[in-house]
Amino acid sequence: GAVVSQHPSWVICKSGTSVKIECRSLDFQATTMFWYRQFPKQSLMLMATSNEGSKATYEQGVEKDKFLINHASLTLSTLTVTSAHPEDSSFYICSGKEGLEVGELFFGEGSRLTVL
Amino acid sequence: GQNIDQPTEMTATEGAIVQINCTYQTSGFNGLFWYQQHAGEAPTFLSYNVLDGLEEKGRFSSFLSRSKGYSYLLLKELQMKDSASYLCAVMDSNYQLIWGAGTKLIIKP
Repeated sequence: GAVVSQHPSWVICKSGTSVKIECRSLDFQATTMFWYRQFPKQSLMLMATSNEGSKATYEQGVEKDKFLINHASLTLSTLTVTSAHPEDSSFYICSGKEGLEVGELFFGEGSRLTVL
Repeated sequence: GQNIDQPTEMTATEGAIVQINCTYQTSGFNGLFWYQQHAGEAPTFLSYNVLDGLEEKGRFSSFLSRSKGYSYLLLKELQMKDSASYLCAVMDSNYQLIWGAGTKLIIKP
């Protein structure tokens, strides 16, 4: 199946710093990229949806100035957590979809962020 | 509102069969997905149903009834590696995925 490479897998940072997470689709063109966060024992929470070359659409309650999403190409999307705080500690997962029709989502491996 | 309901946790025995149910109420329907997620890892795709009926794929099968807003994932010949969370997700009329909270499946020897 299609592969989405996400890194870093683990990141620990100090409060107030920024962290960038990258997702690359290796063998397909990700027209749409979804960014999720997941707290322990909870389901996936959609943060934002981005289409290549367009501004991301953020879900209600997600601060767009804090979680910067860039989807500059069909194979690369990034999420930057700016001025991270301990409450931002979570598991962040990207998933990509090829084309505009209904189809399978291909997930990255996830990034576990711990903010001290 | 939109919601997906699935049991929080289930326990089964190695070699047995288990059925994980999912009921949904969404604004429109463009298909139902099942994903497997091992602890600390990202979800992996299992199945996609958009028409009523049973889809079989090896040891895993998925069933859909659109009129009842109901699906189940059937796992046969359970193996210890099947211990994971199983996520049900429905794509609504806006092509947004609505996720269930997941069912944690515990396999005992």
